[in-house]
Amino acid sequence: QKEVEQDPGPLSVPEGAIVSLNCTYSNSAFQYFMWYRQYSRKGPELLMYTYSSGNKEDGRFTAQVDKSSKYISLFIRDSQPSDSATYLCASSLSSNDYKLSFGAGTTVTVRA
Amino acid sequence: ETGVTQTPRHLVMGMTNKKSLKCEQHLGHNAMYWYKQSAKKPLELMFVYNFKEQTENNSVPSRFSPECPNSSHLFLHLHTLQPEDSALYLCASSQEGRPYEQYFGPGTRLTVT
Repeated sequence: QKEVEQDPGPLSVPEGAIVSLNCTYSNSAFQYFMWYRQYSRKGPELLMYTYSSGNKEDGRFTAQVDKSSKYISLFIRDSQPSDSATYLCASSLSSNDYKLSFGAGTTVTVRA
Repeated sequence: ETGVTQTPRHLVMGMTNKKSLKCEQHLGHNAMYWYKQSAKKPLELMFVYNFKEQTENNSVPSRFSPECPNSSHLFLHLHTLQPEDSALYLCASSQEGRPYEQYFGPGTRLTVT
């Protein structure tokens, strides 16, 4: 069983729609939860990270972690064509854990 | 140069060749990583170096050999690769105490023929 499972997509939405991305994880000891964005022909870049459960908001992006159900979500409000990318969720055990467990990524296309 | 750079961006090599991938980070970070990214698969961590010391070797075949001469440079030496080693190889770095915040280079697209 993979430690982090991610909806494979692809996902295509019209501009302005809310994008909802989800992951589940199996290791209840995970404490850090990250979302990375990867544009075509680029490396991933960190969008947001969350420690433990709860919500975190940054502009149009909201990350949610529900540790009771081992569920990670990313919401993108008012989506733009520039949000078209592959989104990777990741988890780790602690602030000293160099081994991040990544999902396989969901490719999102926002249509103008 | 800013961020994390990788060279070459594209590499085609035969199974009997020897080549090296280079990564350089200009962020003052102390940890550097090599990942393998294959289509529709999660990023696979290959090696981690923290303050030039290797702290992770994720059961990577010996045909991949990392080298970290200082905290800014990381190499991946390749020899007698297999076609299934064709993938995007990503380098990343992070600062002390924040391994969850990794900065990635653009990757080297490797094709083994």
